[in-house]
Amino acid sequence: DAKTTQPNSMESNEEEPVHLPCNHSTISGTDYIHWYRQLPSQGPEYVIHGLTSNVNNRMASLAIAEDRKSSTLILHRATLRDAAVYYCILRDIGGSQGNLIFGKGTKLSVKP
Amino acid sequence: SQTIHQWPATLVQPVGSPLSLECTVEGTSNPNLYWYRQAAGRGLQLLFYSVGIGQISSEVPQNLSASRPQDRQFILSSKKLLLSDSGFYLCAWSIQTEAFFGQGTRLTVV
Repeated sequence: DAKTTQPNSMESNEEEPVHLPCNHSTISGTDYIHWYRQLPSQGPEYVIHGLTSNVNNRMASLAIAEDRKSSTLILHRATLRDAAVYYCILRDIGGSQGNLIFGKGTKLSVKP
Repeated sequence: SQTIHQWPATLVQPVGSPLSLECTVEGTSNPNLYWYRQAAGRGLQLLFYSVGIGQISSEVPQNLSASRPQDRQFILSSKKLLLSDSGFYLCAWSIQTEAFFGQGTRLTVV
């Protein structure tokens, strides 16, 4: 899986939008962009994924750059429960290769 | 619906003792299975993954081994635990797209 780069940490105020960036300049044409988050003392949970077009679900939105070399996870209104480590990873479209590598992620802090 | 079971939730073991952590998945067939370790305050380290029964790939050299005796069963083992084996162990499964994680086992080697 290709490498991703994220800021180590970010801060947000409660009920404000949060934009979490991810760079993946070596992305291949068959890589999906996935986002996971990990709350303290829990396993990571899936947030969202996309290939080329922007994606929305109940948890977040994913904005993908036209050249696919970067993406942004958008939390529209941050809550205290959104404080977590957010991971951006790339996965081949078929998922056939085994390894699923996580980077260091971005630790998001949400202030009341 | 698919579920993943991982046990035990916590474990305290003496140095030199054996280890066996089990993970089972329900509601899916032929998933990719993964074992991760997370040391305190650190990121997720992929230890092993498996794309099928009896097929195990190791990502890092270590004191641990993994086995997949059945399609939806993944076991992490050690013959003799080291202090450095302490950490939060996570099992996960995936088919093509998103991965789903168990609740983890917090292992403390004393």
